[in-house]
Amino acid sequence: GAVVSQHPSWVICKSGTSVKIECRSLDFQATTMFWYRQFPKQSLMLMATSNEGSKATYEQGVEKDKFLINHASLTLSTLTVTSAHPEDSSFYICSCGGTGGPDTQYFGPGTRLTVL
Amino acid sequence: KQEVTQIPAALSVPEGENLVLNCSFTDSAIYNLQWFRQDPGKGLTSLLLIQSSQREQTSGRLNASLDKSSGRSTLYIAASQPGDSATYLCAVIGGSGTYKYIFGTGTRLKVLA
Repeated sequence: GAVVSQHPSWVICKSGTSVKIECRSLDFQATTMFWYRQFPKQSLMLMATSNEGSKATYEQGVEKDKFLINHASLTLSTLTVTSAHPEDSSFYICSCGGTGGPDTQYFGPGTRLTVL
Repeated sequence: KQEVTQIPAALSVPEGENLVLNCSFTDSAIYNLQWFRQDPGKGLTSLLLIQSSQREQTSGRLNASLDKSSGRSTLYIAASQPGDSATYLCAVIGGSGTYKYIFGTGTRLKVLA
């Protein structure tokens, strides 16, 4: 149980384009989803927290207009990187909370974004 | 603001050694602490979750301890194997009504055959 998937697993795009990353909880309903980014050889940094049906809460320093998060259902959240630039290249990981209690998160396998 | 630090940042050992990885955090008001493993280019694999009321957890060759009052956790790996080579991350799950995971800086482990 508690399986989280992400799609795509990797994506390469041109500078200026937008990229959408999906995060799905496959066998449970996730009331809360989290998005993290990880630069090479660095740790995970929380970008935002989203609750189903409401606006995401962004961490300090994260541009909400650049990283659009939609949590339209209890099993799907999407992160859209708008007008991507090379500095947005990173590893993006989502996690889902709710099934094991609010203090337990289940992590997706990550999406590698490369912006040329 | 919660800060999580892991020492050492990198470690290279011969196969068979017993290892201790350290994690320290600045705010002791946490719910849980969790240790993860991350292989290069991959996502996170949960190893052990220690709830705030617990002192330690064990799984196979892994043992994790938690001392909330001193803001420390250790991950003990017995009889290390080349397959243990990975980055190990600890994460504290914050208190004060939030359930955010704050990740440590990671320890890159390499076990030599």
